[in-house]
Amino acid sequence: EIVLTQSPASLSLSPGERATLSCRASQSVRSYLAWYQQRPGQAPRLLVYDASNRATGTPARFSGSGSGTDFTLTISSLEPEDFAVYYCQQRSIWPLTFGGGTKVEIK
Amino acid sequence: EVQLVESGGGLVQPGGSLRLSCAASGFTFSTYVMSWVRQAPGKGLEWVSTISISGGNTYYADSVKGRFTISRDNSKNTLYLQMNSLGAEDTALYYCARDRITVTTYFFDPWGQGTLVTVSS
Repeated sequence: EIVLTQSPASLSLSPGERATLSCRASQSVRSYLAWYQQRPGQAPRLLVYDASNRATGTPARFSGSGSGTDFTLTISSLEPEDFAVYYCQQRSIWPLTFGGGTKVEIK
Repeated sequence: EVQLVESGGGLVQPGGSLRLSCAASGFTFSTYVMSWVRQAPGKGLEWVSTISISGGNTYYADSVKGRFTISRDNSKNTLYLQMNSLGAEDTALYYCARDRITVTTYFFDPWGQGTLVTVSS
């Protein structure tokens, strides 16, 4: 099973700041990685797929990068609605797995 | 508008069974791979199961293999999850999720709002 390790577990930032979230895979997942956002009390929402492609409706301030084992989700300038938990997910090898999440909190 | 509406959750005793349903609308259900993903209270996301468009191929997490069965009825636009031999570790919010596009990607978009399963005596 591929283990996805997200860091940091939590991030305390102010609106307007840049957020950098990391997802590291225990073995290569090529570019088969997605990022999801989950706001409190809501279902997750796909933000980025195939490491760097924004999903429909994802604002341009979100960008994904990486391949192989190291991936990054960057939020260039945090908006109030971006304070949420973010998960990465790989689909390279069964079973499909998620990272443990990074919580982006308001400072 | 694409909608996924889960139902069938509730309180069940350890060792019991439950059948979850996910009613889909706003898209051609029979052309999308579908999945179940769960989230224990206060915890992260865990993939549970995926089914191909015809239902002929199914995939399960090791934690549920042999106890859970995923199925679909394309004539009713409905996804199911039959859960047997439930234990406390199965307590979670169960989400139904569609594949992102009709060409299978195994990325989930969109998700339903979830149905809560609580296993307790």
